[in-house]
Amino acid sequence: DTGVSQNPRHKITKRGQNVTFRCDPISEHNRLYWYRQTLGQGPEFLTYFQNEAQLEKSRLLSDRFSAERPKGSFSTLEIQRTEQGDSAMYLCASSFPAGLNTGELFFGEGSRLTVL
Amino acid sequence: AQKVTQAQTEISVVEKEDVTLDCVYETRDTTYYLFWYKQPPSGELVFLIRRNSFDEQNEISGRYSWNFQKSTSSFNFTITASQVVDSAVYFCALSIIQGAQKLVFGQGTRLTINP
Repeated sequence: DTGVSQNPRHKITKRGQNVTFRCDPISEHNRLYWYRQTLGQGPEFLTYFQNEAQLEKSRLLSDRFSAERPKGSFSTLEIQRTEQGDSAMYLCASSFPAGLNTGELFFGEGSRLTVL
Repeated sequence: AQKVTQAQTEISVVEKEDVTLDCVYETRDTTYYLFWYKQPPSGELVFLIRRNSFDEQNEISGRYSWNFQKSTSSFNFTITASQVVDSAVYFCALSIIQGAQKLVFGQGTRLTINP
């Protein structure tokens, strides 16, 4: 499978615990994005990487959230001291480099977080 | 700032009917992309189409067609002869062309095709 891969697909945790999600993008893509989708809503942009550099962060990304892409390949999204309001689907997407970029994002199946 | 509005929260039709999903957008940028994505129950967003703001030509792909009208800031999506497999949530989205492709999504329209 050469698509965007996300793990785990589902995570149930208690309030106050830390959780980490992993995203493996399509190998030729140097751009990686994290989005959050709550029930009944469209996805909302969280952050964006070009290679290993985190170039943009949304105001939605509080200081309890941290994303990394250490070698410009896979990425992790960590949420510390989870709150019930963090319950959502966390979507990862990747895209081609600038110049080859058609504007299309390729999405993974998401990681669903439930905070009890 | 950009905004995408999908006024239809849910649509339910009988198989083989035609159905149109509405999308209205707002942006001050003169160059932008418009998208439609499909989200089946599995959760993965599936790309359907991208339209450049310079290109107002309508497009047809099989049973799918898209009507882009800059004058009304609309990018509507029509499914002809709908099938049960078309049941999903459909999202319209916009991104500016420069820089990161940050998509701004509408709220989505849940389409149910009944047999």
